[in-house]
Amino acid sequence: AQRVTQPEKLLSVFKGAPVELKCNYSYSGSPELFWYVQYSRQRLQLLLRHISRESIKGFTADLNKGETSFHLKKPFAQEEDSAMYYCALSGSGGSYIPTFGRGTSLIVHP
Amino acid sequence: NAGVTQTPKFRVLKTGQSMTLLCAQDMNHEYMYWYRQDPGMGLRLIHYSVGEGTTAKGEVPDGYNVSRLKKQNFLLGLESAAPSQTSVYFCASSNGGTLGGYTFGSGTRLTVV
Repeated sequence: AQRVTQPEKLLSVFKGAPVELKCNYSYSGSPELFWYVQYSRQRLQLLLRHISRESIKGFTADLNKGETSFHLKKPFAQEEDSAMYYCALSGSGGSYIPTFGRGTSLIVHP
Repeated sequence: NAGVTQTPKFRVLKTGQSMTLLCAQDMNHEYMYWYRQDPGMGLRLIHYSVGEGTTAKGEVPDGYNVSRLKKQNFLLGLESAAPSQTSVYFCASSNGGTLGGYTFGSGTRLTVV
């Protein structure tokens, strides 16, 4: 079974502070991991996927297979980063049914 | 390209009423999904489909039925609505590969009174 854990329901920081949103996963095979962002009352949008090793809006995430983690980081938070962030896992090998974490609400204060 | 379109955007139902939520995608995606989003619970998978004419149960299927008669459409039905089904419902689709991720609709806010 695959599981995604986001231990923090809420993360509150001030503008300019570093941000780390935690994501841990459980999966027996090779996982495909994603971060999705949902701004207030909008649809979920793909932010990052681990396979692309990209940086979007200043956010990065590295897959750590040893610690089974895929934490999302940004060195300097901006007010417009305030949103709900979901970590998602999709199993490899033909299983494309994603499992989402419960989400972390990020609030960036001015 | 509209992506994933959900209708209606809002609906209020009385307990016991029925309704159908429509999800349409124009990306020729094979996989489609229905999720519900509740505070503190994240996204929970209701039903999904891996292709036209196929459906399967997700994590919380009770009280819902689905149909995928056409590849581009995925319908979610509530036969007898209950207050516990008050939620925001999201449809998503994917091409079965992971490079593109999953494309979401804008959601349907359903209230059952």
